Amino acid sequence: SYELTQPVSVSVALGQTAKITCGGKNIGGKNVHWYQQKPGQAPVLVIFRDNNRPSGIPGRFSGSNSGNTATLTITGAQAGDEADYSCQVWDARAFWVFGGGTKLTVL
Amino acid sequence: QVQLVESGGGVVLPGRSLRLSCAASGFTFNNYGIHWVRQAPGKGLEWLAVIKADGSDIYYADSVKGRFTISRDNSKNTVYLQMNSLKVEDTSVYYCARLSDWELPNWFDPWGQGTLVTVSS
Repeated sequence: SYELTQPVSVSVALGQTAKITCGGKNIGGKNVHWYQQKPGQAPVLVIFRDNNRPSGIPGRFSGSNSGNTATLTITGAQAGDEADYSCQVWDARAFWVFGGGTKLTVL
Repeated sequence: QVQLVESGGGVVLPGRSLRLSCAASGFTFNNYGIHWVRQAPGKGLEWLAVIKADGSDIYYADSVKGRFTISRDNSKNTVYLQMNSLKVEDTSVYYCARLSDWELPNWFDPWGQGTLVTVSS
């Protein structure tokens, strides 16, 4: 089955840039989507198709995808960005696959 | 606004059954596929099943194939997840989510607030 690997946790100082990675074999050939989940809340889509933001998602959220790593970047992280972030792809064998999630802490 | 509301969760004994519902509003329900996704306490998201807009295509994760059944009633704007032979490890928050499009690439948006299923003796 296809596996996505994310760091368990990432910390960033307030106002600085946070990068959350999502590793997978040849993930650069897949479309990667990212979800934000705050405690006790449902996930929210923040990036679709590698680097596209849904309406209502701030411009400080961006994405990239190449080789074996996709990255979610939050430029100028705010206290309200503290949450769990999960990547997701579609695989022909495993269908819809999620990474294990990364807890972002804003210091 | 687009909304999905799950219901039917609760505490159930191992080996018993439970049926979850996902009621949709704010969009043309019979134009969209719907997923079920779960999240065990302190764990990541796990995709479970998806049903196409007209119910003609259904896919399951290997972890639940043969035990869980997804279905929909477009006259009621509702998707169901029938869960049989429940195990302690099925304890999770269960979410339904709308599929952006049946054609690839597709993603999950939006999600419901989830319903908690606890399997315990």
